[in-house]
Amino acid sequence: KQEVTQIPAALSVPEGENLVLNCSFTDSAIYNLQWFRQDPGKGLTSLLLIQSSQREQTSGRLNASLDKSSGRSTLYIAASQPGDSATYLCAVPSSSNTGKLIFGQGTTLQVKP
Amino acid sequence: KAGVTQTPRYLIKTRGQQVTLSCSPISGHRSVSWYQQTPGQGLQFLFEYFSETQRNKGNFPGRFSGRQFSNSRSEMNVSTLELGDSALYLCASSLDGGGYEQYFGPGTRLTVT
Repeated sequence: KQEVTQIPAALSVPEGENLVLNCSFTDSAIYNLQWFRQDPGKGLTSLLLIQSSQREQTSGRLNASLDKSSGRSTLYIAASQPGDSATYLCAVPSSSNTGKLIFGQGTTLQVKP
Repeated sequence: KAGVTQTPRYLIKTRGQQVTLSCSPISGHRSVSWYQQTPGQGLQFLFEYFSETQRNKGNFPGRFSGRQFSNSRSEMNVSTLELGDSALYLCASSLDGGGYEQYFGPGTRLTVT
């Protein structure tokens, strides 16, 4: 059974710092991995999708990497800003033919001015 | 292209009542999934519909049901509401499930009193 874990649960950093969020999964046979951002009381915003054949994806100040063999993904945020404060979630599909995603519990990030 | 829309955005109901939530996916998307999000349990998968058929179901009681129409719009219904049903209900759409990027709506905040 696939399980997804995110550590740490919360993180507080000063503005301008580069940071890494971690996501681990127990079954390496994933089809892709998706990173989301959620602001309090809001829906999820898709940040990056990494297909199983890819090693990394970049979007602006965000870079996500994927290492299937070790069951890990990282989300790197460069030059953090207060507007980056949110909860970040990673998720993997439970199989190729379903939209069901298995989520980690998320990392709540606070970037202090 | 319009994003995923959910209506209503907020609901207050009384125990024992029933409620219907609606989700309109991105145009062309055929897969719609529903999730319940609570502070204690995180994101829990309810069910997924694809081409008007339920393709996957989570571990929720039969009080939770859903359907999908020919235009891919989906509704979920909760009967005999309980206090514990208070949550943010999120729907996600994708082209065809697990191999594709998932896009989430803003959610419906349900409060049961």
